[in-house]
Amino acid sequence: EDQVTQSPEALRLQEGESSSLNCSYTVSGLRGLFWYRQDPGKGPEFLFTLYSAGEEKEKERLKATLTKKESFLHITAPKPEDSATYLCAVQAYGAGSYQLTFGKGTKLSVIP
Amino acid sequence: DAGVIQSPRHEVTEMGQEVTLRCKPISGHDYLFWYRQTMMRGLELLIYFNNNVPIDDSGMPEDRFSAKMPNASFSTLKIQPSEPRDSAVYFCASRQGANTGELFFGEGSRLTVL
Repeated sequence: EDQVTQSPEALRLQEGESSSLNCSYTVSGLRGLFWYRQDPGKGPEFLFTLYSAGEEKEKERLKATLTKKESFLHITAPKPEDSATYLCAVQAYGAGSYQLTFGKGTKLSVIP
Repeated sequence: DAGVIQSPRHEVTEMGQEVTLRCKPISGHDYLFWYRQTMMRGLELLIYFNNNVPIDDSGMPEDRFSAKMPNASFSTLKIQPSEPRDSAVYFCASRQGANTGELFFGEGSRLTVL
């Protein structure tokens, strides 16, 4: 069974204080790893796709990286508008490969 | 495109009542997913459709839950009878093609069963 564990559950940062969110995964064969952002009262919004170890993707203050066992979402000099819950999901090869398994998320709060 | 549209946004009902949640996916998307989100369990996949055909309903908690997709632009998730433990936010998502993890989510339907 595919498993996704995110840590920490919650993170409070001062504006400008860089940090990283972790996503550890167990999957039989990784087809892709995905990061989503979810604002309160909204549905998750797609951020990045990573396919292979060593791959990196960037978008504004966010950078996602991937190893064979985990992914990191690095946040550089965050701003209050970066406050949200960040979700990690994996897609595996084989039966059920058309669906995503999500972690429970990390709730990020950026304090001005 | 208006995105994935879900209704109602909020539903409060009493135990034993029937609940119907509705979803209009993005035009042209051939996959539709129903997820449930709670604090305890996070996002759980309930069922998904490909070209209006249910492919995997193994996530549906029990027979009280049913889902249909009569055409490419409409899907329903029904709970009958509803129970307090069904209280959650239900999301519909759609995507185009199998080889992508980019799902487009609706804003969700928050269900409270008293």
